[in-house]
Amino acid sequence: SQQGEEDPQALSIQEGENATMNCSYKTSINNLQWYRQNSGRGLVHLILIRSNEREKHSGRLRVTLDTSKKSSSLLITASRAADTASYFCATAYIIQGAQKLVFGQGTRLTINP
Amino acid sequence: ETGVTQTPRHLVMGMTNKKSLKCEQHLGHNAMYWYKQSAKKPLELMFVYNFKEQTENNSVPSRFSPECPNSSHLFLHLHTLQPEDSALYLCASSQVTGGGGSNQPQHFGDGTRLSIL
Repeated sequence: SQQGEEDPQALSIQEGENATMNCSYKTSINNLQWYRQNSGRGLVHLILIRSNEREKHSGRLRVTLDTSKKSSSLLITASRAADTASYFCATAYIIQGAQKLVFGQGTRLTINP
Repeated sequence: ETGVTQTPRHLVMGMTNKKSLKCEQHLGHNAMYWYKQSAKKPLELMFVYNFKEQTENNSVPSRFSPECPNSSHLFLHLHTLQPEDSALYLCASSQVTGGGGSNQPQHFGDGTRLSIL
């Protein structure tokens, strides 16, 4: 299976703390993407990291990718209550020119005020 | 506003009904996708359309029938569904570039919450 696994499944921290979520996968990838989902809504893209990149930043988000260990991490610094959501990693494969995403189970993040 | 609109947002139907889910993207993308999100399971890719051609059918039962009349619209026709088909159905789109693939993210709609009685 190409499916990724995320760790932890649930994380609860205090506002202002940093949150780290991890993702592992099994086969070679084209890129790895992180998405966020608020309850009852669709997924929102956060960061895409290519297989030849090791680290990427976007505002309070930092993503790392270790292709030798087939793992990635998402760090959210200085968390806010509005960061409460589910976070998913998705590994991307190219099939007949289109991009196929394989999602992990997700991490449910709760930021306590 | 993600640029991907799904209708209806909620749908309740009996097992013998026929209904359709609609997805429209306003982003000028050339690939569209259907996903199923069930409780306690990862998001599952159902169908992929690239330049209006179906390139992936992820072993989806024939009671789900996709249609992509143009690069902006995607439908999922439903008939004789089962209770286990109750889920959130998400549509997404992306821009596929040439040269062997795409490194572009997918843009998702807010989904249709489907309940089968």
